[in-house]
Amino acid sequence: AQTVTQSQPEMSVQEAETVTLSCTYDTSESNYYLFWYKQPPSRQMILVIRQEAYKQQNATENRFSVNFQKAAKSFSLKISDSQLGDTAMYFCAFGTPFGNEKLTFGTGTRLTIIP
Amino acid sequence: DTAVSQTPKYLVTQMGNDKSIKCEQNLGHDTMYWYKQDSKKFLKIMFSYNNKELIINETVPNRFSPKSPDKAHLNLHINSLELGDSAVYFCASSQGAGLGGQPQHFGDGTRLSIL
Repeated sequence: AQTVTQSQPEMSVQEAETVTLSCTYDTSESNYYLFWYKQPPSRQMILVIRQEAYKQQNATENRFSVNFQKAAKSFSLKISDSQLGDTAMYFCAFGTPFGNEKLTFGTGTRLTIIP
Repeated sequence: DTAVSQTPKYLVTQMGNDKSIKCEQNLGHDTMYWYKQDSKKFLKIMFSYNNKELIINETVPNRFSPKSPDKAHLNLHINSLELGDSAVYFCASSQGAGLGGQPQHFGDGTRLSIL
């Protein structure tokens, strides 16, 4: 079974600064996918970014990028030029590709952007 | 043009009652899921269906019975509600078991409160 660990329950950062949220996971799978989801106070679950384990290149989506270290089983999220709208819970999630697709979530990091 | 819609958004009821939550997606996806988010924000898979067939049942009590009349709908019926069932329930959908880590799209959640 897979496990996902987010060791930072809460973080805060000044607006416009850069912040990195950490995530580690444990799996015996060789082929898998990793995701970051954002849950603002509105309760929606919004996909932020997705990474295929077989790709060495780190995924980026505008101000969001990941640092994927497969050997270390680490998948951190970097948010550049943070904005007030980035205030949310951030969940790291592990997905298996075939036949038994489900997301295994970490416990989340509550990120607050300070004006 | 809501992609994944759940009804109701809020549900307050007495212990021992039976209730249902409905979910519909208009994305043309063939896989749908139910997740439970507890009071500590931890998200856990409950069920998934692919083309109306159950493919994941994560040791959920028999009081929970999902039903998928077609691939665009996945409803959750809960019998004999208990205090521990209080949570936010999220429906999600994705394209295709076996297509490799397709992102899951979430509904806005249903907050269930048991009195």
